[in-house]
Amino acid sequence: DQQVKQNSPSLSVQEGRISILNCDYTNSMFDYFLWYKKYPAEGPTFLISISSIKDKNEDGRFTVFLNKSAKHLSLHIVPSQPGDSAVYFCAASGGDSNYQLIWGAGTKLIIKP
Amino acid sequence: NAGVTQTPKFRILKIGQSMTLQCAQDMNHNYMYWYRQDPGMGLKLIYYSVGAGITDKGEVPNGYNVSRSTTEDFPLRLELAAPSQTSVYFCASSLKTFNTEAFFGQGTRLTVV
Repeated sequence: DQQVKQNSPSLSVQEGRISILNCDYTNSMFDYFLWYKKYPAEGPTFLISISSIKDKNEDGRFTVFLNKSAKHLSLHIVPSQPGDSAVYFCAASGGDSNYQLIWGAGTKLIIKP
Repeated sequence: NAGVTQTPKFRILKIGQSMTLQCAQDMNHNYMYWYRQDPGMGLKLIYYSVGAGITDKGEVPNGYNVSRSTTEDFPLRLELAAPSQTSVYFCASSLKTFNTEAFFGQGTRLTVV
């Protein structure tokens, strides 16, 4: 069963506009969420994280929003830049998974010039 | 600063062969991880280690073994390779727990034929 779902396999956004990547989870025990970015032929790199005690965390152009009641989080990138073209993974952890990360399948973001 | 180094980058194995994927980090991180990523899927944890001499199973440990004799090295052993082990393997390390930023190697693309 997929406990972390990224329902959009790909997303295309115009350069300079906002990119919104979504992630849904089913396990109410998850209490920490992370976003990673991955370029082809490279390993993932950490982007931003959020604890369940918060509903928003911001780092420069990247903001993550957490809606616990809906079991939904989103990553906003504004403004989008060509270098943001990559696959974005959402990952979650919680006490019942022994705090191991459970990863979504990823969303491929394409920034159009 | 090399970060996390994985070798080899590519490998083709015949069914029933064995091999060791090497992973080394130079950041003095306590935590190290092995993940596999199948096409269109998120990363799945195979094994992890919280320090030298301590290892534990992740979500998909069957068919693999690990050891952690030093802080720097965390090799992954595949015994009796099977086609189901065809995947991209990532090694990662972090200073603290799963919830902190992890640094990934470039990955090993393994094909079992």
